[in-house]
Amino acid sequence: SQKIEQNSEALNIQEGKTATLTCNYTNYSPAYLQWYRQDPGRGPVFLLLIRENEKEKRKERLKVTFDTTLKQSLFHITASQPADSATYLCALGYNAGNNRKLIWGLGTSLAVNP
Amino acid sequence: GAVVSQHPSRVICKSGTSVKIECRSLDFQATTMFWYRQFPKQSLMLMATSNEGSKATYEQGVEKDKFLINHASLTLSTLTVTSAHPEDSSFYICSAPLGHYNSPLHFGNGTRLTVT
Repeated sequence: SQKIEQNSEALNIQEGKTATLTCNYTNYSPAYLQWYRQDPGRGPVFLLLIRENEKEKRKERLKVTFDTTLKQSLFHITASQPADSATYLCALGYNAGNNRKLIWGLGTSLAVNP
Repeated sequence: GAVVSQHPSRVICKSGTSVKIECRSLDFQATTMFWYRQFPKQSLMLMATSNEGSKATYEQGVEKDKFLINHASLTLSTLTVTSAHPEDSSFYICSAPLGHYNSPLHFGNGTRLTVT
């Protein structure tokens, strides 16, 4: 079956360290992957998009990698801060006939401790 | 920057009543809006795609007569949950692509619906 998985356990790290979150998928041929941040009781906020032919994307302290051989995307937050504490969602975009579909992971909760 | 405004943020209603949720795009026009539902500890599930000036497209398993969608203008889409039941209690979130259809999404802040 087609699946998209994120590390289910909450990630706790110390302020200043690098947080690394994982998004794995099976049985999809993605056109792109998107990463969003979601705070409790709020809608997701778009962070980064990486396309199938891209290996890495950066934006300020954020970095996303995409390995279509491993079927995996990694999301890194460097020099993490307590304000980075949130749930991070990955979303995979793939072609379904003439349409483009988006499927979401469950998200990984990140807590950055001061 | 582009903002999607969603109201109300929280609503409690009695079983059998209807609830309308509004989603507005501010500072940009949205010919397409997406309505999602999120249950606790579950992923975002697309319910329907709202198209300005035409009928909404519903995902498999979503009852179009129960979840009425109206997208009468380029900046407003509404979702009405009709004859709500406790199992409809959930977090409903609308979103709109900033640019073309496959652009990243701008989300509203969601509506927490509780049906008693």
